[in-house]
Amino acid sequence: DVKVTQSSRYLVKRTGEKVFLECVQDMDHENMFWYRQDPGLGLRLIYFSYDVKMKEKGDIPEGYSVSREKKERFSLILESASTNQTSMYLCASTGSSYNSPLHFGNGTRLTVT
Amino acid sequence: QKEVEQNSGPLSVPEGAIASLNCTYSDRGSQSFFWYRQYSGKSPELIMSIYSNGDKEDGRFTAQLNKARQYVSLLIRDSQPSDSATYLCAVNKRGGYQKVTFGTGTKLQVIP
Repeated sequence: DVKVTQSSRYLVKRTGEKVFLECVQDMDHENMFWYRQDPGLGLRLIYFSYDVKMKEKGDIPEGYSVSREKKERFSLILESASTNQTSMYLCASTGSSYNSPLHFGNGTRLTVT
Repeated sequence: QKEVEQNSGPLSVPEGAIASLNCTYSDRGSQSFFWYRQYSGKSPELIMSIYSNGDKEDGRFTAQLNKARQYVSLLIRDSQPSDSATYLCAVNKRGGYQKVTFGTGTKLQVIP
């Protein structure tokens, strides 16, 4: 069974801090994604990666960066956290087929004060 | 126009009834369609996937796809209170990188 693990379930950070959200998957999936989810706005894609060291911007990349140094790990970085980045962050992975569904981690609820 | 559109609801149905959830998409290049269920405070979990026109049944769930009209629907028969959740429609386009786009979800309430 696919397992996607996010390092923190809840996180509280201060404005201006650098924040790292970590995600690890154990199914050798090529593709990994970071979404944020906000009430009324649904799931919005921040960044995705289709291979090690490769990344593509999603729909809302501003204020975020990512790192994928190993196939199983995909990190989301908030360079200087702001209050409007308070949200639920969801990591997902999927295989190479377009018919492969996304497998989600449990999510990280980030609060920036 | 949003890429994937869903009625936000809430959709209220009595226990035992059929719940019908609808989703439209704008890109005719879309090839793979997914329904996810999300309970409050939890992450989405896959319910159904469908790739060809027509119906696909799995237990109490039936997904329907009509590419000509660019809509996909999910029917839940014999609805149970445990089905109360938000249902997310997701679409993947063929060609280029995989980029799955979600609708904002429909909240379903099954009334006992």
